[in-house]
Amino acid sequence: QSALTQPASVSGSPGQSITISCTGTSSDVGSYNLVSWYQQHPGKAPKLMIYEGSKRPSGVSNRFSGSKSGNTASLTISGLLAEDEADYYCCSYAGSSTFVFGGGTKLTVL
Amino acid sequence: EVQLVESGGGLVQPGGSLRLSCAASGFTFSSYWMSWVRQAPGKGLEWVANIKQDGSEKYYVDSVKGRFTISRDNAKNSLYLQMNSLRAEDTAVYYCARDRYCSSTRCYDYRFDYWGQGTLVTVSS
Repeated sequence: QSALTQPASVSGSPGQSITISCTGTSSDVGSYNLVSWYQQHPGKAPKLMIYEGSKRPSGVSNRFSGSKSGNTASLTISGLLAEDEADYYCCSYAGSSTFVFGGGTKLTVL
Repeated sequence: EVQLVESGGGLVQPGGSLRLSCAASGFTFSSYWMSWVRQAPGKGLEWVANIKQDGSEKYYVDSVKGRFTISRDNAKNSLYLQMNSLRAEDTAVYYCARDRYCSSTRCYDYRFDYWGQGTLVTVSS
């Protein structure tokens, strides 16, 4: 049950695209296409942005997309907006009904 | 509208106990797994425990096994987390979150799609 590995911070200018990586192991990310991504603004509860690798919940902008290759999942945000500045967390199903989160990535919109 | 409202947090001494509650509304509570997720001050999210729709299966992160117990009351649309032998490292905001839906044959939508506002647990002398 080790945390997934995310970069501590990423940044981009308005209009640009950024990608946040999430590296796990063959026991979690690599074994299941069940990675979800959450956005969290300061003092707020997390918000689901992507689930089951690449599915977008109703109401989430199509500027957010997810993918996976091997033991690494990725979240891409295109057309960056100031409101995208937040912390982002990945989460993977890890088998036996357990889940593991990543350490989180702080996105700064320059 | 789906709502999850946690309560029961507060200040407790090391070794003490606390019971968190989560009141659910706006969806068929008995159809979903439910989870607790915590976040230590200034730190990331950590999945803590979850429970099957009928309460027959419960799973925990290693760090709380034997100390925390998750339970639910479907008649009251409520989720609980009994926390015993609390340690300083258990200090966190605790969120309840709606987990996946499972039929008799398979599970759908592996995601935490709704979250409560969180309740702060502080373990300190």
